[in-house]
Amino acid sequence: EAGVAQSPRYKIIEKRQSVAFWCNPISGHATLYWYQQILGQGPKLLIQFQNNGVVDDSQLPKDRFSAERLKGVDSTLKIQPAKLEDSAVYLCASSFLGRGAGELFFGEGSRLTVL
Amino acid sequence: AQSVAQPEDQVNVAEGNPLTVKCTYSVSGNPYLFWYVQYPNRGLQFLLKYITGDNLVKGSYGFEAEFNKSQTSFHLKKPSALVSDSALYFCAVRDPSGNTPLVFGKGTRLSVIA
Repeated sequence: EAGVAQSPRYKIIEKRQSVAFWCNPISGHATLYWYQQILGQGPKLLIQFQNNGVVDDSQLPKDRFSAERLKGVDSTLKIQPAKLEDSAVYLCASSFLGRGAGELFFGEGSRLTVL
Repeated sequence: AQSVAQPEDQVNVAEGNPLTVKCTYSVSGNPYLFWYVQYPNRGLQFLLKYITGDNLVKGSYGFEAEFNKSQTSFHLKKPSALVSDSALYFCAVRDPSGNTPLVFGKGTRLSVIA
């Protein structure tokens, strides 16, 4: 079974530039998550999709971050304009169920460095 | 609001010795508890979870964890550590009574020394 795919793995940009990350979840997984992992901290949920609808985006900085889930499968997370504090690893995860007992399956992450 | 505490930033253990990585949680109801492991430059991998039932949960790679409701703890254990167990370990909690997301601790770095 193919895992969660993310790209790019690494991205370096200057502040005020824009960046986009892509995620393809495990086939059949209805729920998709974007987490932000800052160095030395645990992952923090940015947004959760159930199929192509948003379940929770309460911690998404909406003035600069946006996300969409095309046709309930792939998802894109965009940052525009980037700030220095956005330097982090952006993790995509998927699960078969929503907020139940099912575990999350994570991709390898996209590491963003903002200079 | 639910939260997780991992009191140790770093745990060092000799190969072959038992290891424990500590986790305590705060949640209003009965928790769903998870442990994940992260190797360098990789995503998080699921190790085990507690949902209900037996307080001792067995997971991948010989790891186990014990749910202790009175102490609100869910410590990760392994009887005999391997050098390959060296990684970053995250405890996570979800409150199933509220529509809340999975919340992670800050992580504990385990170093197993040969």
